[in-house]
Amino acid sequence: NAGVTQTPKFQVLKTGQSMTLQCAQDMNHEYMSWYRQDPGMGLRLIHYSVGAGITDQGEVPNGYNVSRSTTEDFPLRLLSAAPSQTSVYFCATRAWENRAYGYTFGSGTRLTVV
Amino acid sequence: EDKVVQSPLSLVVHEGDTVTLNCSYEVTNFRSLLWYKQEKKAPTFLFMLTSSGIEKKSGRLSSILDKKELFSILNITATQTGDSAIYLCAGGQMNSGGYQKVTFGIGTKLQVIP
Repeated sequence: NAGVTQTPKFQVLKTGQSMTLQCAQDMNHEYMSWYRQDPGMGLRLIHYSVGAGITDQGEVPNGYNVSRSTTEDFPLRLLSAAPSQTSVYFCATRAWENRAYGYTFGSGTRLTVV
Repeated sequence: EDKVVQSPLSLVVHEGDTVTLNCSYEVTNFRSLLWYKQEKKAPTFLFMLTSSGIEKKSGRLSSILDKKELFSILNITATQTGDSAIYLCAGGQMNSGGYQKVTFGIGTKLQVIP
């Protein structure tokens, strides 16, 4: 049981390049989400999904696309990388337990855009 | 606008000290208050609080929620160097679509020195 797996752990991109951050989970959680974490800003929600085929925007969706074709995978695509997207990205799932929701985070992807 | 404010932003204590971390929140349709510990990588879950006045404990850590005054505290007694981390507070809420979203604070950085 690996939980939430993110790849890659580190990535350097040039401005304008595109790439996909991968997130996979083996807990059969319906809900998956992407956050970015920046100094002094806390964790901010980019996109989330409540099940296969269903996605919605979070707090900071611009410049990112997501899709959810399976329960297990929730990739985050950067269409044309910008220096402002330099950040640490976390994928998180959610499950109902003890009468409330609990979140499980992946180990993160540190992205630098130059 | 939903917001979660943590204080202090950083804290340095000696081993054995007791610390109290504060979290105030203003979130619509509030459902739960979450505490996470973030060391080098992903946040790990500590507590979820949904009811006022009921203390949750896990070893030397404890937390309580005051839904009237809209705040929570996280206490750590007999601190150890392994407690050094960023502690994140988050407010869980239901959005208009019936799905829960989570608003994170920027965290309190705790450093415990020998």
